[in-house]
Parts: sequence; structure tokens; C-alpha cells
Amino acid sequence: SQQGEEDPQALSIQEGENATMNCSYKTSINNLQWYRQNSGRGLVHLILIRSNEREKHSGRLRVTLDTSKKSSSLLITASRAADTASYFCAISTPDTNAGKSTFGDGTTLTVKP
Amino acid sequence: GAGVSQSPRYKVAKRGQDVALRCDPISGHVSLFWYQQALGQGPEFLTYFQNEAQLDKSGLPSDRFFAERPEGSVSTLKIQRTQQEDSAVYLCASSLAMAAYEQYFGPGTRLTVT
Repeated sequence: SQQGEEDPQALSIQEGENATMNCSYKTSINNLQWYRQNSGRGLVHLILIRSNEREKHSGRLRVTLDTSKKSSSLLITASRAADTASYFCAISTPDTNAGKSTFGDGTTLTVKP
Repeated sequence: GAGVSQSPRYKVAKRGQDVALRCDPISGHVSLFWYQQALGQGPEFLTYFQNEAQLDKSGLPSDRFFAERPEGSVSTLKIQRTQQEDSAVYLCASSLAMAAYEQYFGPGTRLTVT
């Protein structure tokens, strides 16, 4: 499967700690994106990182991409209870139509107050 | 509204019934996507439109699934003769341009087939 696979499947931390989630994939990519989904809601786009980029930041979020290892990580620093959600990576590959993304099954993050 | 809206939010159908799910994308967004999300899993791609053209329908699971976007804005996903395995959340997303990969998702329609 081309889809990204997140690791771990579930993560539980205390408020204030950092949370790291990983995504691995099997094919060449154009870009990789991270999304957040709160329970019962739609997905919210967090960060897009292109295949020629190695790191991007957005507020408390840091995303890295290692194309040689076909992996990406999402770091949330100083976590808050409101960060509790499922986090998905999605990849776009050169052989798919423009804009189509393939999602993994997500990491469920619980931040305990 | 400023975001992607979907209706209905919840739909219960008896097995064999036809259903129609509606998506209102963000105004001016060229691309529109439909995904199916089973409980505890990530969204699975169903189909993609660029304006009114359906460019990719490779993810539609069977010929009971049909999607349209006749005027390049509102889209409808129709499922004929629903089966229990069709129970899922159906997500719609839009993006500004063909090469704009940031997708804006609606809240989804939860379909339960009994």
C-alpha cells in the first residue's frame, strides 16, 4: 500500500509534555501532509511538507521529513488538553492525480490535564 | 458560511434504500474530493472533481456509488441499494486549485445502514 502508516496507534501523555508521532510510507512522494481530527468532526490541515524540504514549523508543531527513510514525524511541544485528537499523515505521489492524498489510519493522542 | 458544509449530518437508511449526500465546498474552490472513513481508520479516497469534471473515480467501491458536480460547485454522492458495509462517515473536502494540496474538510455525514 502507498498509504502512510502512523506510529504509535495511540499515545497518552500529560499536559505540558511533548508528543511525537511518526509516519512511514513506501513510495516516492510529492508532499506529505499532517491533519488533525477531533472526535466526530472533519479533518483540519496542519502542515504540508514538500519532498525537497526537511523540516517545517508552525507554532507548537514541528514536522520533519526524511525521504531516504521514507518517514516523517510530527512533534507537538508543550501539549495541551485541547490537542487531544487523532492525527493523520497523508501522502501525494507523482503517479496520482493532482491533489489526491492517501491517508494512514492515524495516531490517537490523549493529553491528560 | 466560510467552510465546507455537508448535509445531512446523520443518515439512517434501511438496507436496499438509496441515499444522497450533499457537499457545499468553499466558494471558488476548484477541486472537490469525497472520502469514506470507517470507524478507527483514516479516510479512504472515493472520487475527485476539478470543477464539474470527475477526473478520478477509482476509489468508488462499486457501481452502486455515483457522484456528480454538475455546475462545478455543489456535489452529491449517491449510494444506491445501500448495504450494511456502506455504513461509514462520508467526508467531503475542497481545495483552492488543482495543485493546491491543502484540503479543507467538511464535518462529514455519518451513514448507518440497518
